[in-house]
Amino acid sequence: AQTVTQSQPEMSVQEAETVTLSCTYDTSESDYYLFWYKQPPSRQMILVIRQEAYKQQNATENRFSVNFQKAAKSFSLKISDSQLGDAAMYFCAYRSLSGGTASKLTFGTGTRLQVTL
Amino acid sequence: DTGVSQNPRHKITKRGQNVTFRCDPISEHNRLYWYRQTLGQGPEFLTYFQNEAQLEKSRLLSDRFSAERPKGSFSTLEIQRTEQGDSAMYLCASSVYNSPLHFGNGTRLTVT
Repeated sequence: AQTVTQSQPEMSVQEAETVTLSCTYDTSESDYYLFWYKQPPSRQMILVIRQEAYKQQNATENRFSVNFQKAAKSFSLKISDSQLGDAAMYFCAYRSLSGGTASKLTFGTGTRLQVTL
Repeated sequence: DTGVSQNPRHKITKRGQNVTFRCDPISEHNRLYWYRQTLGQGPEFLTYFQNEAQLEKSRLLSDRFSAERPKGSFSTLEIQRTEQGDSAMYLCASSVYNSPLHFGNGTRLTVT
């Protein structure tokens, strides 16, 4: 079974600065998706960014980018020019593309990001 | 796209009672998922449907839990004989096949 580990329960960043959230995962599969989801206090989970494992190029969405290291099974999220609205829980998630478990997401335990003035 | 809708937002029930939650997915989405999230944890997979077929159930889904999606549209999750350990946020999500999941706001269950 796949596991996702987020070793930083809490992180803090000053407004306009850059922060990196860490995520590692364990799998024996070669093809899968990785995601970062954001869950603000209003609690709806929102997709931030996704990465297909077969792509070597790191995904980027505006101020959000990832550092995907397939061999190391690492998938970190970098938030540039942090804004107050970025404050939330961030979850890393893994999605298999094989067999009967193909559709479900496996989540990490989350990192709470605080943004200070 | 009106988003994934979940009702009720909050449910308080006494131990031993039955509860039912409803999820209305995004209309063109054929897959629907249920997750459970406890405080300070990431969501845990419970079950998912493709159209009306329930394709996978987690071992977390005990015999007291049942989910249906009778016409491939909305879904219900019922918990019978609730226990205090059932207190959690129940999240519903939908997708088109393996496209990214869209989540609802969740139903927070408190069992007293």
